[in-house]
Amino acid sequence: AQKVTQAQTEISVVEKEDVTLDCVYETRDTTYYLFWYKQPPSGELVFLIRRNSFDEQNEISGRYSWNFQKSTSSFNFTITASQVVDSAVYFCALRAQGGSEKLVFGKGMKLTVNP
Amino acid sequence: DAGVIQSPRHEVTEMGQEVTLRCKPISGHNSLFWYRQTMMRGLELLIYFNNNVPIDDSGMPEDRFSAKMPNASFSTLKIQPSEPRDSAVYFCASSLTRRETQYFGPGTRLLVL
Repeated sequence: AQKVTQAQTEISVVEKEDVTLDCVYETRDTTYYLFWYKQPPSGELVFLIRRNSFDEQNEISGRYSWNFQKSTSSFNFTITASQVVDSAVYFCALRAQGGSEKLVFGKGMKLTVNP
Repeated sequence: DAGVIQSPRHEVTEMGQEVTLRCKPISGHNSLFWYRQTMMRGLELLIYFNNNVPIDDSGMPEDRFSAKMPNASFSTLKIQPSEPRDSAVYFCASSLTRRETQYFGPGTRLLVL
């Protein structure tokens, strides 16, 4: 079975602080994909990134960076110099190649960035 | 390019009424997914289609829920009869193939009184 755990449910920071959102996953499949989605207060779900299990390179996109470590089954997301517009709920998700290939979401983590 | 389109964006109805949610996937995408989001259960996959054919409907809560995809550009999720516990945000998502990244629509916020 596949499982995604986002241990933090809510974080509040002040603008310009760096913040890391944790994601730990479980799967027995060797081929799988990890995702991060953002859900701003307006409610839509916005795709941020996808990584496959064979690519452990960290990725940076502007103020966003992702750290994928298979050894600890983690796919953490860091926002550098946070801004008020980063306030949202962030979801980590997993899809494994085997089984039903369903996208399994974590419970989400609410980030509030205060001015 | 237009993203996934859902309608209506908000729906308020009374218990027992039929509710129909609509989705237009991104053009060229062959897979379509219906999700439900609630505070208690988070995001749950209800059903997904591949090339208009339902592949996995194990997440559909009960017989009151049904989904169709008559063509590549349109899908419906119907609840009949609706109940207050069906109140949730319903998302439609599409992907190029079922293994590719899913892109979500804006959601339909359903309130059943």
